[in-house]
Amino acid sequence: EDKVVQSPLSLVVHEGDTVTLNCSYEVTNFRSLLWYKQEKKAPTFLFMLTSSGIEKKSGRLSSILDKKELFSILNITATQTGDSAVYLCAAPFNDMRFGAGTRLTVKP
Amino acid sequence: GAGVSQSPSNKVTEKGKDVELRCDPISGHTALYWYRQSLGQGLEFLIYFQGNSAPDKSGLPSDRFSAERTGGSVSTLTIQRTQQEDSAVYLCASSPSRLSNSPLHFGNGTRLTVT
Repeated sequence: EDKVVQSPLSLVVHEGDTVTLNCSYEVTNFRSLLWYKQEKKAPTFLFMLTSSGIEKKSGRLSSILDKKELFSILNITATQTGDSAVYLCAAPFNDMRFGAGTRLTVKP
Repeated sequence: GAGVSQSPSNKVTEKGKDVELRCDPISGHTALYWYRQSLGQGLEFLIYFQGNSAPDKSGLPSDRFSAERTGGSVSTLTIQRTQQEDSAVYLCASSPSRLSNSPLHFGNGTRLTVT
């Protein structure tokens, strides 16, 4: 059965810490894996990963895909309180399925 | 507007009533998705439209839920005989196509409260 699993479900850190969020997947005919950030309302797109081993980077956020081991990680360095959000990963099956998300709380 | 628009933003209804939620996708986007998000939970897939193809209804939780997409644009999600467990945020998203290089663009959702 196709599925996307995220861990941890919840994470609390202090400003300045570095965090790693995990997403594993089992998808028939894998095409891509996507990361989103959800604060109060609409999830906003962060990264799309299609190739193994190539890091995508945006500021303090970076992500990489391992197609052999079927997982992706999202790293956030020097965390800030504004990074507090739910981080979602998703993979297209016949439609687009999401993991349960990781709720990140960054304390001052 | 430039983004996905959903209305209403909030809806409070009594148990047993029917509700209609509306989604205006980004112009030209052929793929449209509905998701449900209960408090503190992830996104639960409901239904997916792609162009003129038959929709993928595999995520609809019961026959009280239905959705239409008229003219390949605006979509309406209808919940009949609402129950308290239907209370959630209903999110709509669109993308240019179902291809893997098309991230979803989300609306701000409709928060449904069934009393």
